[in-house]
Amino acid sequence: KAGVTQTPRYLIKTRGQQVTLSCSPISGHRSVSWYQQTPGQGLQFLFEYFSETQRNKGNFPGRFSGRQFSNSRSEMNVSTLELGDSALYLCASSLAQRSTDTQYFGPGTRLTVL
Amino acid sequence: GQQVMQIPQYQHVQEGEDFTTYCNSSTTLSNIQWYKQRPGGHPVFLIQLVKSGEVKKQKRLTFQFGEAKKNSSLHITATQTTDVGTYFCAGVAYNQGGKLIFGQGTELSVKP
Repeated sequence: KAGVTQTPRYLIKTRGQQVTLSCSPISGHRSVSWYQQTPGQGLQFLFEYFSETQRNKGNFPGRFSGRQFSNSRSEMNVSTLELGDSALYLCASSLAQRSTDTQYFGPGTRLTVL
Repeated sequence: GQQVMQIPQYQHVQEGEDFTTYCNSSTTLSNIQWYKQRPGGHPVFLIQLVKSGEVKKQKRLTFQFGEAKKNSSLHITATQTTDVGTYFCAGVAYNQGGKLIFGQGTELSVKP
C-alpha cells in the first residue's frame, strides 16, 4: 500500500506570496491532519479534516487554511507569506474516525520564504 | 490550553549507554503516542499507551504511562547508532476536542 504523499517536496517563495500544498493520504484513510515543524517550536498542529469537514483547528492565524476533497486528498493554503512561515509542513493520515488514532506521516514539504 | 512538555531537549550518549526521555502533560490524557523521526525523515509511529500505569516493551525500548495519565517515559537500553533521531510523545487530553498535541521532542545522538 502506498504511503502518504506530499507535493511539492520543496518550495521557495517570497514574502507576500501565497502557497498551496497538497497531501494524498493512504488509500482508505479518511482523516488528514497538517502540522508545521520548525527547529524551535517542534510539531505544531494546524488542522484536521475528516470526510471533507474540518474537525479540529490549532492556534494559527487565518492566513492558514485547508480543505479536503471527496477522495480524502487535502490541500493547505498559506496566504500573505511571512518569513516565519518557513518550515517543514507535514501531512498525516489516519484510518478511523477518531482523531487519536495512529498518524501516518508523509515526507513533508519544505517551504522557504525569502 | 493543553500543553505537553518533553525533556530533555537533547541527549548525547555513548553507544551502549541507556537513554530516557520524559513527557509531562498539564492535563490528564486519554492516551499517549510515541513517534521517532530520523534525521531528514518524517515522524514514524512507535506505540500507543492507553491504560493508567501501562508498560509496553519493544525489544530494547520500554514505554510507560503514568498512574495519573499525565506523564509518560521512553527508555532505551544499550543504545545503538540506529537509535539516533528525535523522539516525540503526543497526547490527547479529555474534553479537548480530540486534538493530538506533540511534545517538543528529544533529539538523541549516539557516539560509536
